[in-house]
Amino acid sequence: GAVVSQHPSWVICKSGTSVKIECRSLDFQATTMFWYRQFPKQSLMLMATSNEGSKATYEQGVEKDKFLINHASLTLSTLTVTSAHPEDSSFYICSPAGQGNYNSPLHFGNGTRLTVT
Amino acid sequence: GEDVEQSLFLSVREGDSSVINCTYTDSSSTYLYWYKQEPGAGLQLLTYIFSNMDMKQDQRLTVLLNKKDKHLSLRIADTQTGDSAIYFCAESRGNQGGKLIFGQGTELSVKP
Repeated sequence: GAVVSQHPSWVICKSGTSVKIECRSLDFQATTMFWYRQFPKQSLMLMATSNEGSKATYEQGVEKDKFLINHASLTLSTLTVTSAHPEDSSFYICSPAGQGNYNSPLHFGNGTRLTVT
Repeated sequence: GEDVEQSLFLSVREGDSSVINCTYTDSSSTYLYWYKQEPGAGLQLLTYIFSNMDMKQDQRLTVLLNKKDKHLSLRIADTQTGDSAIYFCAESRGNQGGKLIFGQGTELSVKP
């Protein structure tokens, strides 16, 4: 199966600071990266979709200026939570997809648990 | 609508079969997935089924798809305590570039 490396696994930060989460696709070229968020005891909700070399598309209700996504290369995408607040505390998970194979089984990173104090 | 629905809890005894059910609403779904999530961990892809299939079996896992009723189920044979986790079904809509819509997750508790 696909190997997806996401880090950090967990991070605690102070309110007002920014946190960067990295997601790497280790064995295929990720032309698309999906970023999901999961609040405690809830399901995963798609936040945004990024395509390598272009701007990310954000889901309704997700602030693009707060959650900065950079899809720097075919193997790396980053999500930066800017000016984090306690309500941003959540589990963030990435899922890469290759060119044209959106319907292939989609694999996920192990997630990043963000706690904002 | 975009709803994918699952029952929230299931409790079984070790050695029994577990059946986790899921309903979805969009008939254009192309792939349907089952993921497992253990506490504090990411998602592990368990199995998936293409929408033109009725059944898929993979070792202890059997997926049944009733496309007419938009009903998906995951059967785990000989359930073990290590199967205790949250199970998510998800549908992939090809015309939306691979966006996955997840159910709420079913928490499976396996008692010895």
